[in-house]
Amino acid sequence: NAGVTQTPKFRVLKTGQSMTLLCAQDMNHEYMYWYRQDPGMGLRLIHYSVGEGTTAKGEVPDGYNVSRLKKQNFLLGLESAAPSQTSVYFCASSYPGRIETQYFGPGTRLLVL
Amino acid sequence: AQSVSQHNHHVILSEAASLELGCNYSYGGTVNLFWYVQYPGQHLQLLLKYFSGDPLVKGIKGFEAEFIKSKFSFNLRKPSVQWSDTAEYFCAVNRGSARQLTFGSGTQLTVLP
Repeated sequence: NAGVTQTPKFRVLKTGQSMTLLCAQDMNHEYMYWYRQDPGMGLRLIHYSVGEGTTAKGEVPDGYNVSRLKKQNFLLGLESAAPSQTSVYFCASSYPGRIETQYFGPGTRLLVL
Repeated sequence: AQSVSQHNHHVILSEAASLELGCNYSYGGTVNLFWYVQYPGQHLQLLLKYFSGDPLVKGIKGFEAEFIKSKFSFNLRKPSVQWSDTAEYFCAVNRGSARQLTFGSGTQLTVLP
C-alpha cells in the first residue's frame, strides 16, 4: 500500500495563478483532511471531508476550495494564489472509529511569488 | 476555542539525556490526545495516542506520555534520547465527538551526538 500520496511535491506559482493539489489514499478511509504547516504555527486545518461528495471548512478555509468526487481522492484548489499561501500543505486520511488516527502524506511545498 | 500549547519551541539535548516535552490544552471535556513526530524531510508519523484508560501511554521508539486531567496536560517523555530522535514533535488534541484535530505549534528537538 502506498498510503497517502500527494502531487506535486513542490510548486512555484506567481501571484494570481491557480493550481490544484491532489491527495490520494489507498486505505479506503472515509475521512480526508487538508492542512497547512507554517513555521511556529504547527498544522492548521483548511478543509476536510467525511465522505465522498461532502466537504467542510476547517480553521483557515479562506482562499481555498476542495472537492471529493471519489472516495480515494481529495483535491485542494487555489483559484488565485497569494504570497500568504506560501506554505507546506499536508493531506491526511482516517477511518471513523472510537479514536481516529490520521495518516499523513509527504507534503507539498508551495511557493507563491 | 480549543487550543494546544507547546511551550518549548526548541530543545537541545546530548545523547542519553532524558526528555520531557510539555503539552497543555484548553478544552475541559472529553478529549483524545496524540503526539506526532516529523523527522527531517519526512511526513508526520504517529508516536502515541490516548483516549481512555491508563493515563500512562507507551508509544513507538521508547516514547511515553502521561495524561494528567487535572493539569490539562499530556507531556511526552523518553528516558534516554538518541541522535536519531532529532525531529519536530507535535502534540494534537481532538474532542471526543469532533472531526478536527488541533495541533500545537511544535517543538524542535535536536540531539547532539
